[in-house]
Amino acid sequence: DSGVTQTPKHLITATGQRVTLRCSPRSGDLSVYWYQQSLDQGLQFLIQYYNGEERAKGNILERFSAQQFPDLHSELNLSSLELGDSALYFCASSARQVSEQYFGPGTRLTVT
Amino acid sequence: AQSVTQLGSHVSVSEGALVLLRCNYSSSVPPYLFWYVQYPNQGLQLLLKYTSAATLVKGINGFEAEFKKSETSFHLTKPSAHMSDAAEYFCAPGLAGNMLTFGGGTRLMVKP
Repeated sequence: DSGVTQTPKHLITATGQRVTLRCSPRSGDLSVYWYQQSLDQGLQFLIQYYNGEERAKGNILERFSAQQFPDLHSELNLSSLELGDSALYFCASSARQVSEQYFGPGTRLTVT
Repeated sequence: AQSVTQLGSHVSVSEGALVLLRCNYSSSVPPYLFWYVQYPNQGLQLLLKYTSAATLVKGINGFEAEFKKSETSFHLTKPSAHMSDAAEYFCAPGLAGNMLTFGGGTRLMVKP
């Protein structure tokens, strides 16, 4: 158990819909990262927050957004969902800007 | 941009045999290098981390990796494979800002 929690574990929704994925980092970790894992794209970095502020952006679509709240939990919002958005979405946290990341169990999103 | 290449998307070994999973980084030495393992239907777990303090890094579950600057490599090894080592393994450089750019992953299969 990494100490990072993600909810829900599974999500099934239809195209065009909007969903919110939630992540709680390890106690004391200020950085939160979101990754997408799919068969065709592999593991891709989406976005990083540090203590409530966006710090880095990767291959995140404009339809996707994220935020980190004062209690340090983070939410990833995915809208206008397409079939190709079906993937595993991982959250990770780290204590400092450059240190090892601890991953949550992931949310499996299926868009039908 | 810093990246890694993992040679061999699938590696098969017999139980008790040496495990060697290859990772080569791009020309500039990254500040950190990580190996993560992903067991089926789980998140990623940190195996070990290179921080330039030592070229031979020992990790969990009997794994170790050696940083070789002359070969731009950070290969992962284990002297004797166990059935429980069957998983997918990812190499990643740690970058400024700490986002991880994962290699394509190597699926390790262990035959009885």
